[in-house]
Amino acid sequence: AQTVTQSQPEMSVQEAETVTLSCTYDTSESNYYLFWYKQPPSRQMILVIRQEAYKQQNATENRFSVNFQKAAKSFSLKISDSQLGDTAMYFCAFMKHPLYGGSNYKLTFGKGTLLTVNP
Amino acid sequence: KAGVTQTPRYLIKTRGQQVTLSCSPISGHRSVSWYQQTPGQGLQFLFEYFSETQRNKGNFPGRFSGRQFSNSRSEMNVSTLELGDSALYLCASSGGQSGNTEAFFGQGTRLTVV
Repeated sequence: AQTVTQSQPEMSVQEAETVTLSCTYDTSESNYYLFWYKQPPSRQMILVIRQEAYKQQNATENRFSVNFQKAAKSFSLKISDSQLGDTAMYFCAFMKHPLYGGSNYKLTFGKGTLLTVNP
Repeated sequence: KAGVTQTPRYLIKTRGQQVTLSCSPISGHRSVSWYQQTPGQGLQFLFEYFSETQRNKGNFPGRFSGRQFSNSRSEMNVSTLELGDSALYLCASSGGQSGNTEAFFGQGTRLTVV
């Protein structure tokens, strides 16, 4: 079974600064995906960024980037130039590759990190 | 392109009753997954349906069941409600194109059991 651990229950950052959210995971799978999802107070879960395990290059999406360390099973999220709208709960999630070992789209989530961006 | 629609948004039920939640996935998506979100347990996987078949099931009692229809819409049923079933129930839609692993979530149904 897979486990995902987010060791920071809460974090805060000043607007325009950079913050890094930590995530570690445990799996025996070799083909998988890792995700960061954002859940603002509106409750809508939104995908922030996705990383395929076989890709060595770290994924980036505008102000969001990851540091994927496969051997260490670490997957941190860096948010640059933080904005007030980034205030939300952030979840790290794991999925077996649907074609190579999973045959499903089940996500295993960490407990989440509540990020507050202060003006 | 319409998003994932969950109905109802809010629900209040009494212990012992049963409830049915509905999820309409994104057009073309064949997979629907259900998650329970509580402050104490976080997000926990309930089950996944793909082309009307349950492919995977989480560690929940048999009171939790679901089904998927031929149009990919899914329903989740909880019988003999308990206070601990109070939670936000999220539905996720996936599998629209080959290799697309992104899960699109609905806004959830907030169930309160009194």
